[in-house]
Amino acid sequence: ETGVTQSPTHLIKTRGQQVTLRCSSQSGHNTVSWYQQALGQGPQFIFQYYREEENGRGNFPPRFSGLQFPNYSSELNVNALELDDSALYLCASSVRGNEQYFGPGTRLTVT
Amino acid sequence: DAKTTQPNSMESNEEEPVHLPCNHSTISGTDYIHWYRQLPSQGPEYVIHGLTSNVNNRMASLAIAEDRKSSTLILHRATLRDAAVYYCTRDDKIIFGKGTRLHILP
Repeated sequence: ETGVTQSPTHLIKTRGQQVTLRCSSQSGHNTVSWYQQALGQGPQFIFQYYREEENGRGNFPPRFSGLQFPNYSSELNVNALELDDSALYLCASSVRGNEQYFGPGTRLTVT
Repeated sequence: DAKTTQPNSMESNEEEPVHLPCNHSTISGTDYIHWYRQLPSQGPEYVIHGLTSNVNNRMASLAIAEDRKSSTLILHRATLRDAAVYYCTRDDKIIFGKGTRLHILP
């Protein structure tokens, strides 16, 4: 059984650009959640997808958007990048309502 | 906003039990209490979760107050590998606070 994987590991973008981060869920999991973790802070919930539908959203602007695919893999898209978007982006998969399994994260740097 | 309150940091000696408290006074009747921990340079790792009854697994025990407004994560015999930030959360749309940084002294 493979765990949650994320790509890329690291990414450097310029302010104003757009970025897509990818996540492969653990086998059998139908729910994926995305989090943003700034240095020294706890992860902040961005949104959750359950069976390809958004199932809750945190306090993030619409330029943060996502997709979940039929194979339950997922993407996080961020448009019009700002310097404050620099963070570790984590995805977590689960069977809805149960414990979440986190990937190693993507470190995004916006310059 | 799903708020939980935890001490910023705690310290324990190796091979001793550790009790990590969490307050969640506004928890709803159907919200589960989840605990995760995050080791340096890693994503969070699931530890344990429960609803009303105390729970045990191979990693830890979770003691939930009768009124469900607080809970305690119990590491029965701390090792150096248990040094991490421990997060107490509610619901599966997990709202993390800053957690408790646990230091283990050899």
